[in-house]
Amino acid sequence: GNSVTQMEGPVTLSEEAFLTINCTYTATGYPSLFWYVQYPGEGLQLLLKATKADDKGSNKGFEATYRKETTSFHLEKGSVQVSDSAVYFCARGDTGGGNKLTFGTGTQLKVEL
Amino acid sequence: KAGVTQTPRYLIKTRGQQVTLSCSPISGHRSVSWYQQTPGQGLQFLFEYFSETQRNKGNFPGRFSGRQFSNSRSEMNVSTLELGDSALYLCASSLEQGQGYEQYFGPGTRLTVT
Repeated sequence: GNSVTQMEGPVTLSEEAFLTINCTYTATGYPSLFWYVQYPGEGLQLLLKATKADDKGSNKGFEATYRKETTSFHLEKGSVQVSDSAVYFCARGDTGGGNKLTFGTGTQLKVEL
Repeated sequence: KAGVTQTPRYLIKTRGQQVTLSCSPISGHRSVSWYQQTPGQGLQFLFEYFSETQRNKGNFPGRFSGRQFSNSRSEMNVSTLELGDSALYLCASSLEQGQGYEQYFGPGTRLTVT
């Protein structure tokens, strides 16, 4: 079926550490891929996206590359800050032409001083 | 430009009652989608509206319904509430229909069913 799998959390890192959150997907066709972030008590914010193979999405120091051969879209950041503490969701778009997003389970990130 | 707004932000209802949640999309956006977020099931797609028509529906019982008005504002309704309907309900809007269009989420309505 069409699904998104992301690494289990919580992930705890020290400030300035390197971050990787793994995400893989299954889909028929070529879906757009997204990373969303959710801060406590808030809705989701789009962090970055990629719409085709080998595209790299980037924003606020975060990056993810659309890898068709491994069906992956791993999120990376070279140096995390305490303010990056949040829940991160990987999502895939709807290849059928609609706006439906299929989300992973979310990965909680906690960054400590 | 104002973001997606949802009302009310918090709601407490009793089992068996019905509830209506409202979503106002970003000005100019024509597509509205709804999601349910729970600790156990995560984020699940409820339905999607575009030009006042339901374009897609998730795997939820018929107690969950929605509509979209000519100004793109949307409402969702849950009838005969169950304890398991307690969740954060999120609305998202996008300019047009299609996976390439970015979706912007509102802050959600936190529904508690007692």
